[in-house]
Parts: sequence; C-alpha cells; structure tokens
Amino acid sequence: GAVVSQHPSWVICKSGTSVKIECRSLDFQATTMFWYRQFPKQSLMLMATSNEGSKATYEQGVEKDKFLINHASLTLSTLTVTSAHPEDSSFYICSARSGLGSGRAKETQYFGPGTRLLVL
Amino acid sequence: AQSVTQLGSHVSVSEGALVLLRCNYSSSVPPYLFWYVQYPNQGLQLLLKYTTGATLVKGINGFEAEFKKSETSFHLTKPSAHMSDAAEYFCAVSESPSGTYKYIFGTGTRLKVLA
Repeated sequence: GAVVSQHPSWVICKSGTSVKIECRSLDFQATTMFWYRQFPKQSLMLMATSNEGSKATYEQGVEKDKFLINHASLTLSTLTVTSAHPEDSSFYICSARSGLGSGRAKETQYFGPGTRLLVL
Repeated sequence: AQSVTQLGSHVSVSEGALVLLRCNYSSSVPPYLFWYVQYPNQGLQLLLKYTTGATLVKGINGFEAEFKKSETSFHLTKPSAHMSDAAEYFCAVSESPSGTYKYIFGTGTRLKVLA
C-alpha cells in the first residue's frame, strides 16, 4: 500500500516551453502533497506544499509563477514548470501523506519515483 | 526549531560488515523520525520510522534504528552489509509543531559497500 506514482519519469524539452509533471497517490487519498527538487548529490529541497482544493504554499525563494502547482483532487497533484530554462533542469520528486491514521501516523510521507527534467 | 544532522556524507563498509549511519536531531517536542533510502535516479523509499513507544525500530531490508532521547540520536544500523545496500540514506524529522507536516531532511549519507 501507499504507492505514489509520477509521470513522466523523464522529460527533455526546449528552453521556453512548459512542462507538466503529474503526481498520483494510487491506493490512498492524499490530503497533502509535497513537491521537492533535488540537485545532483544533494538533499531534497522542499518547493511547495499543496492541500487538496486550496492554493499551494511555496517555500521562500521558490517562484510561484514559475512553478505552478495544482492539487485538484485527493489523488492528483501537478507541477507545471512554465517557460523552462536550462537552470530548471533537475530531479523533481513529489510525496503524499494520507492524513488518515491515529496520532502522528498521519505525518508519514510516501514518495514518488521522481521526474528528471532536462531543458535544452 | 527542529534540525537534523547526518554525520559523514560518505560511508564505506565491506560486504558483511556492520553498517552504522549516524543521525542526530534537535527538537523541542517529541520528534517523529524517519530513515529513507534512495537508489540512483529513484525516489525515496521508507526504511523505518519512530513515532512513540519502543525505541528500537525495525525496518525493511534488515535495517533498524534506535531512538535515544538522551543523545538526541536516531542512528541506522544493519548487522551485515550487502552489495545491494549501496545507496543514499536520508534521515528526516517531521516538523509537527508547525502543523504543516513538512519534513526536515538531513544532508544524506552515501553508503558504499566494498566487495
């Protein structure tokens, strides 16, 4: 249980185009989804937190007009990188938490397999 | 404020030897702690987690971790390393007091297993 998928797993695009990445919770309803960015050989950097039906909360320094996040349902969140540039090339990972369970069990995040974006 | 420190960005062990990956945390409230493993070009897989109760937590793939409040530590161990254990390991604490459920990650430890 608690499987999170991402699509696509990798994408190559030209500079100036927009790219959409999907994050789905396959066997549970995700109250909250998180989007991370990971640079080579580094830890994960939280970009934003999204709750179903409400606007995403972005971390300091993350451009919300550049990285559009939509969490339209309890099983799907999307990250759109608008007008992508080479510096946006990175590994993007989403995670989801169900919000179910007793006590602090609901704090567990389940991670997707990641999407590698290369902007030429 | 909560924080996580992973000592040793790179750890090398021989196959069959003990694996010890260190994690220390700082938290003003009872922490909720995690260890995740990341294989190349993949997402993070939950190894184990500590919530409350038993301080020795057993996870997948033979890993376990012990929560030591007095030492503010949550070190990850495995009695005998296998080649397939080579990966990046992340310790994290849930930022529960803020109500955001965000994680604070350590910087990661890359485990290399020598034949």
